[in-house]
Amino acid sequence: DADVTQTPRNRITKTGKRIMLECSQTKGHDRMYWYRQDPGLGLRLIYYSFDVKDINKGEISDGYSVSRQAQAKFSLSLESAIPNQTALYFCATSGQGTGERQPQHFGDGTRLSIL
Amino acid sequence: QKEVEQNSGPLSVPEGAIASLNCTYSDRGSQSFFWYRQYSGKSPELIMFIYSNGDKEDGRFTAQLNKASQYVSLLIRDSQPSDSATYLCAVNRAGGGNKLTFGTGTQLKVEL
Repeated sequence: DADVTQTPRNRITKTGKRIMLECSQTKGHDRMYWYRQDPGLGLRLIYYSFDVKDINKGEISDGYSVSRQAQAKFSLSLESAIPNQTALYFCATSGQGTGERQPQHFGDGTRLSIL
Repeated sequence: QKEVEQNSGPLSVPEGAIASLNCTYSDRGSQSFFWYRQYSGKSPELIMFIYSNGDKEDGRFTAQLNKASQYVSLLIRDSQPSDSATYLCAVNRAGGGNKLTFGTGTQLKVEL
């Protein structure tokens, strides 16, 4: 089983709908992240959480919200989806360990299409 | 200036050759550097990380870091067709906790 699991893997929806992407992990990591990836733009950080009570905006948080339900669960919501939010979304985790030296480990991604 | 820059490629090398992938970064205080491999439509997979100036070798992969010149590179020896992928450079900025800034990636094609 994957250490970082994202659901759903694919989603097609319509403009204006509310969508939730879920991420769960069995790695025991404290830190979790949500990214989106667009062709030519690379991975961009949406939100991150260093523990259950610590949630922070990334570089492109507008139009998104998150919830850290437990150490192992971190959900991303699009309150009212718009077509330019069509992208590949990744959840990642990292341990607290030696601070900045901890690599991030990625889930398999959610391909989201908004019509 | 982008915080982390990579040549988008594609970089084409023949099978068995050495592939050299480069990355430059703008923040002199950056502390940790990571290379990820990403196959089309798949998730990034960690290949190597490096923190200190010099070379770090792991199997066919060697990461090189030069903080004075603000670049990090990845060498892949004996390149195989299965190495064909996009390689992402990621940098952990000073004081950034575990937040990574990613380059847009270099596409590598290993040709038979």
